[in-house]
Amino acid sequence: QVQLQQSGPGLVRPSQTLSLSCSASGVSVINGGYPWTWIRHHPGKGLEWIGHVYFRGNTYYNPSLKSRATISIDTSENQFSLELTSMTAADTAVYYCATGTGYSAPDSWGQGTLVTVSS
Amino acid sequence: SSELTQDPAVSVALGQTVRITCQGDSLRSHYASWYQQKPGQAPVLVIYGQNSRPSGIPDRFSGSGSGDTASFIITGARADDEADYYCHSRDSSGHHLLFGGGTKLTVL
Repeated sequence: QVQLQQSGPGLVRPSQTLSLSCSASGVSVINGGYPWTWIRHHPGKGLEWIGHVYFRGNTYYNPSLKSRATISIDTSENQFSLELTSMTAADTAVYYCATGTGYSAPDSWGQGTLVTVSS
Repeated sequence: SSELTQDPAVSVALGQTVRITCQGDSLRSHYASWYQQKPGQAPVLVIYGQNSRPSGIPDRFSGSGSGDTASFIITGARADDEADYYCHSRDSSGHHLLFGGGTKLTVL
């Protein structure tokens, strides 16, 4: 059974960089057929795709983030990570890592990390 | 277009059938999936590939689609079906994921 465990800070100062990690168990990050994905949920709003990375290294990002996001895979730790630069209050959200386990959409999700941007 | 549009809120009487719709140009070339999200919880995939159910999802849940519109149907709504429902697909390139704005389902 695939499980994703997120780690990272719950509070980030404005203009700083958010760094989140997602550790996978039950699957190797180099074997997944579905990309390793980050999604966020703004309070009271809908889900927003941030981006994803395929195990071969191809990455795709939401254009609305204007190149602030970087997603990478760490094969030695069997995890993948998100960095989001120049954080503002508008980036306050619950951040999720996710992947697919055989379906054509993400069906395995991390527990979510509430990230608040505040000084 | 790279947007998926959903009605913000829908209500259904207990035991009745409800349809939640999702509209977007990308649905002409990519199937929709659907998620159920309850407060404080991660989304749960309930329909993928337009009309398939992941393991463990009840057959009261179904999906359909035609043209630029996808639908999620609950037959025999229960109180614990009350949740936010999101449609999901890809943009025309196939590389970028899209989510609808979500529909809040109230079971009366």
